[in-house]
Amino acid sequence: QKEVEQNSGPLSVPEGAIASLNCTYSDRGSQSFFWYRQYSGKSPELIMSIYSNGDKEDGRFTAQLNKASQYVSLLIRDSQPSDSATYLCAVRSGGAQKLVFGQGTRLTINP
Amino acid sequence: GAVVSQHPSRVICKSGTSVKIECRSLDFQATTMFWYRQFPKQSLMLMATSNEGSKATYEQGVEKDKFLINHASLTLSTLTVTSAHPEDSSFYICSAPRRGTGNTEAFFGQGTRLTVV
Repeated sequence: QKEVEQNSGPLSVPEGAIASLNCTYSDRGSQSFFWYRQYSGKSPELIMSIYSNGDKEDGRFTAQLNKASQYVSLLIRDSQPSDSATYLCAVRSGGAQKLVFGQGTRLTINP
Repeated sequence: GAVVSQHPSRVICKSGTSVKIECRSLDFQATTMFWYRQFPKQSLMLMATSNEGSKATYEQGVEKDKFLINHASLTLSTLTVTSAHPEDSSFYICSAPRRGTGNTEAFFGQGTRLTVV
C-alpha cells in the first residue's frame, strides 16, 4: 500500500462547478497535510495546508481533514479553466520535515 | 515572490559530464533542504535530504556517489549529477521548509529540467 494515495484522474469538471479532489494516507501518526498545484513543466505551488480535523477555507478553496478515516480532500468552488493542473497531496509525519507525496490528480476544467 | 530560488531552470549536457544545480533560500535560513526528481506524468520522488554542515541522507535506491549534495551554508544547497546519462534526464526540484507561526511549510524552487544527450 502506498503511503499517500490519490486518484490519478484525469478528472474533468465543467467551468463554474465544484471540483472535488481526494487523498488517503496510511500513517496514522501524520500531523500535517498539504495540497499543491502543479502546472505542466513548473514546480509545485502550495495551495492549502491543514493540521486539524474539519474544514479550512481560503477563497475558492476548502481543505477537509478527517484523521479517523485518514483522508484529506480539496474542494475548488466556481472552477475556472486556470485551475486546470495536477494537484498533489502531501503528508508530513511526526517530527520529520520531509513530505510524502501522492501521485497527483490531473484536473481539467472545461469552458 | 519566490522564497526558494533554483538555478539553472534548464540545462542540456552531454553524456559523461557533470551538472551542478543550486538551490537558495532567499529570506530565511534552511538547515535542511530536500531534493526531488520528477519523471513525466509521475509524482515527486524524494532523492535526498540535504543537511547544513553534515552529510546528506539519501533515500533507498539513490546513488550517493552519483548525486553529490553539498549544503555548505544556511541558504545554499547544491546537487551535482556526476557522469550524467540519458536516463538521468528528468525534472529536479529542491524544497526548503520554512517555519511560520506555529507550523512549517515547504516551499519549492522553480525546478531544473535536465536533458542528457
